[in-house]
Amino acid sequence: RKEVEQDPGPFNVPEGATVAFNCTYSNSASQSFFWYRQDCRKEPKLLMSVYSSGNEDGRFTAQLNRASQYISLLIRDSKLSDSATYLCVVTNNAGNMLTFGGGTRLMVKP
Amino acid sequence: NAGVTQTPKFRILKIGQSMTLQCTQDMNHNYMYWYRQDPGMGLKLIYYSVGAGITDKGEVPNGYNVSRSTTEDFPLRLELAAPSQTSVYFCASSRALDSPLHFGNGTRLTVT
Repeated sequence: RKEVEQDPGPFNVPEGATVAFNCTYSNSASQSFFWYRQDCRKEPKLLMSVYSSGNEDGRFTAQLNRASQYISLLIRDSKLSDSATYLCVVTNNAGNMLTFGGGTRLMVKP
Repeated sequence: NAGVTQTPKFRILKIGQSMTLQCTQDMNHNYMYWYRQDPGMGLKLIYYSVGAGITDKGEVPNGYNVSRSTTEDFPLRLELAAPSQTSVYFCASSRALDSPLHFGNGTRLTVT
């Protein structure tokens, strides 16, 4: 089983839609969780950390489900500028660094 | 505050040539990483370092070498460039092993 798994997509949604991505991880002892955003041909950038109680940043909500070992990212009122690849990042199985998922591609259409 | 700086931004190499990709950070981070990303694919860890003088292999180290003589710099060396090394290379740094990574802008390398 991969350490971090994401549906590669693409998710094609209209502007204004709500879209959610999940990311499953294999290390049950993981303590660190993040969502990154990567635009085409650019470097990944930190979107938000994921806290145990869930957290929100504007239109973005991140949640953690430890029992089922997944994290989620919800985007409300999608904008054209949200089109990007979203990378899930969690602690690796060895517990000694963060590891990246393959990413989920989102395309928001007018 | 420059963050993580990579040079060059673009480079074309001939098969068998060598080059060094430069990476420097001004955040006093102990941890530094080199990733490669092929078109449409995810990030693959090449090498990482947990502090000056300490480096370790990642998932895809073959064909590459690194050094970490200072906290700030983490150069990546390609000794005998091969077409399979055509990729985008990202350097990153973090404060701790479980802290968010800060990425440089990347180096786009083509080997022909």
